[in-house]
Amino acid sequence: AQTVTQSQPEMSVQEAETVTLSCTYDTSESDYYLFWYKQPPSRQMILVIRQEAYKQQNATENRFSVNFQKAAKSFSLKISDSQLGDAAMYFCAYRSAEGNAGNMLTFGGGTRLMVKP
Amino acid sequence: EPEVTQTPSHQVTQMGQEVILRCVPISNHLYFYWYRQILGQKVEFLVSFYNNEISEKSEIFDDQFSVERPDGSNFTLKIRSTKLEDSAMYFCASSETPNTGELFFGEGSRLTVL
Repeated sequence: AQTVTQSQPEMSVQEAETVTLSCTYDTSESDYYLFWYKQPPSRQMILVIRQEAYKQQNATENRFSVNFQKAAKSFSLKISDSQLGDAAMYFCAYRSAEGNAGNMLTFGGGTRLMVKP
Repeated sequence: EPEVTQTPSHQVTQMGQEVILRCVPISNHLYFYWYRQILGQKVEFLVSFYNNEISEKSEIFDDQFSVERPDGSNFTLKIRSTKLEDSAMYFCASSETPNTGELFFGEGSRLTVL
């Protein structure tokens, strides 16, 4: 079974600065997908960014980028130019690309990001 | 922007009672899911549903749980006889496709079993 670990329960960043959230995972599979989801306070979880394991290039979405290290099984999220609206719980998630995995996601425990004005 | 909506936002029930949690997925989505998060623990997959059938289910989703799409808009999760350990936040989600990992989540229904 796969596991996803987020070792930072809480992080804080100054507005306009850059912050990196860590995620590691354990899997014996070679093909899979990784995700970062964001859950603002009292709001829905939304997808921030997605990475296919077979792609060497790190995914980027505007101010959000990932550092995907497949051999190390590491998938960190970098938020540049942090904004107050980035304050949220961030979840790292894994999805197998093998068999009939569908959209069964395995989540990490989450990192609460606080943004200081 | 279309959203997944869930009701109730919070339900308190006595152990042994039946509970139905309701969800209205995004209208053009065909794949539906329930996840749950026990306080202090990780979000866990319960079940996926497509074409009026369960596609996948986890070990958590035992005979006490059932899902249904009773009409064209609602997607429900029923717990037949609640236990204390069923206390959790239950998240409904929907997606257009079954395999992109892009799920659209509701805000969750908090279930408290006393």
